[in-house]
Amino acid sequence: QQQVKQSPQSLIVQKGGIPIINCAYENTAFDYFPWYQQFPGKGPALLIAIRPDVSEKKEGRFTISFNKSAKQFSLHIMDSQPGDSATYFCAANGGSARQLTFGSGTQLTVLP
Amino acid sequence: GAGVSQSPSNKVTEKGKDVELRCDPISGHTALYWYRQRLGQGLEFLIYFQGNSAPDKSGLPSDRFSAERTGESVSTLTIQRTQQEDSAVYLCASSLVTGTGNTIYFGEGSWLTVV
Repeated sequence: QQQVKQSPQSLIVQKGGIPIINCAYENTAFDYFPWYQQFPGKGPALLIAIRPDVSEKKEGRFTISFNKSAKQFSLHIMDSQPGDSATYFCAANGGSARQLTFGSGTQLTVLP
Repeated sequence: GAGVSQSPSNKVTEKGKDVELRCDPISGHTALYWYRQRLGQGLEFLIYFQGNSAPDKSGLPSDRFSAERTGESVSTLTIQRTQQEDSAVYLCASSLVTGTGNTIYFGEGSWLTVV
């Protein structure tokens, strides 16, 4: 019930490509879905977040798509740049779950 | 401080020794979390503190792990009789309050290596 499943484990795209990272959850009480970006040797940092009352949210080149009925959400990075190379984690919480439950992470490499 | 501060940044210890990891949350943040991140893996919840409420210890993997928090300030994660499987980055995070929608800010972690 608390699990968040993330795929793919790793992703390589060319500069300008649009990497897509997918997550699925089971707990229907979850109502907050953030994405975190982590560079090597650093702690994760909040990138963008969405609530289930909207199906899409954009912030700059980053977009979250949310499908409540399928219990899935995804991160799209438009016009990806080498500086976007990092590990991306989806997460969720809500209901009785006060702490964030994280996906297993996606290591993104954007080639120049 | 401006961000979540953790110390030490790196710790190498011998199997069987006890270690203490420290976290200074962002000033004013009432909620504090500890997560563990093994190499190349996701973040595993360990424990969180919210004000004066009893901490949620549901993520602690064994009784060798414990944590304390002084009021709404610093927290210490203690691992007793360390094992090689304890090798990981221990991340501390804080937020204004618990509950959904509150941004959680992470420190840079304490990298623990048990040899």
